[in-house]
This record gives sequence, C-alpha cells and structure tokens, in this order.
Amino acid sequence: DGGITQSPKYLFRKEGQNVTLSCEQNLNHDAMYWYRQDPGQGLRLIYYSQIVNDFQKGDIAEGYSVSREKKESFPLTVTSAQKNPTAFYLCASSPGTANEQYFGPGTRLTVT
Amino acid sequence: AQTVTQSQPEMSVQEAETVTLSCTYDTSESNYYLFWYKQPPSRQMILVIRQEAYKQQNATENRFSVNFQKAAKSFSLKISDSQLGDTAMYFCAFMLTYSGNTPLVFGKGTRLSVIA
Repeated sequence: DGGITQSPKYLFRKEGQNVTLSCEQNLNHDAMYWYRQDPGQGLRLIYYSQIVNDFQKGDIAEGYSVSREKKESFPLTVTSAQKNPTAFYLCASSPGTANEQYFGPGTRLTVT
Repeated sequence: AQTVTQSQPEMSVQEAETVTLSCTYDTSESNYYLFWYKQPPSRQMILVIRQEAYKQQNATENRFSVNFQKAAKSFSLKISDSQLGDTAMYFCAFMLTYSGNTPLVFGKGTRLSVIA
C-alpha cells in the first residue's frame, strides 16, 4: 500500500535533547512538507522540500532542521534551540504542481 | 503573504441537518487552489474538497459542496445531511499555483460537533 508513515506516534524527550522525527513516503512524490499543529493555531509550516537535496524554511523554522537526501525521506530534527517543542507534527507530500497534499498520521512530541 | 481566516472556532449541528462553515482569504494573486481538510479525532488529515480559482463552478463531493466567491475572497463549506462521522476539525487551506510545489496556508480551524 502506498502512503506516508511517521514514526513514532508518540515521542517523549527531556528538555535540552535533540530529537529526530521520521517521515517516509512511497508515493514517488517530489515535494514533502513539515507542519506543526498547536491547539487553536491550525497548521503552521516548518520546512518544505520540492526536490532531493533542496529545502526551504517555512514560517516557523527557528529551532528545527531537515535533510532531504532521498526522495522518500524527509526527517525533521527538533533541536534544543526550539523554545516550545511540545506539539503535534504532521508530515505531508504532494506529487506535483497544484496538487493536494497527502498527510501522514502525525507524531505527538512531548518535551519535559 | 497569503492569509486564511476561519471566523467560527466551534459549531454544532443536529444529525441530518445542514451546516455551513465560513472561510475567507487574502491574496493578491489570481492563480490558486482552495481546499477543505477534515481532521477527525484520530488526527489524520483528510481532503474533503478542492476548488480551482479559475473555475466558476462550485465544487461538490457527495454531501459536501462549496460556495466560492472569488471577488469576495470567500470559500465556505456546506455539509448536507450531517452525520455523526462528520464530527471533526475542519481546516480551510490556500495554495498558490504559479510555480512548483507550494505549501498550504491554513486557517485556524472550525471544530464541528454533530449531535444525535
């Protein structure tokens, strides 16, 4: 079955630790995206990548980093510089221009 | 920059009734798409309906339809014959289409409760 997987579903970390969230897709989509969801805030764009080895910052990129070494994978690292990392993180992909995005099931990150 | 506004944080509707969710957006561009996504309690984002800005005809998908008013920059979602499974957060989203894959810009969402 084609789709987008995010792992793990729930992730717990201590403050000051970096953590990497996984996003994999087998849809052969060119573009991939990371969004953050907080209560009452909707979804906000962290980073996106239109092709392999290229990515752009979104509206709230500070404290996050990404890589796109393979078409299928777009991992997100939440660094210790992110002031308030506890949130629900959604990964998405799209096949081409002017197409809807397909979303993964999300990862709930809790930092204490 | 594009913005999307959903002015109704929460709404409720009786089962089998009709409900309309509002969405307005702001852009100076002429080529774009608009979407409604549904996020049920599972938190999986599901596409409900899409509208191309160059099309005058309003999109419909079974019980879901939109009222797209381009001049007014309004894009409301009508759900007919509401069902308990329609209970979810609904997000309006905007996407430019002038080049490449562009990110979605989301509104803050409307929480819809369908009451038996």
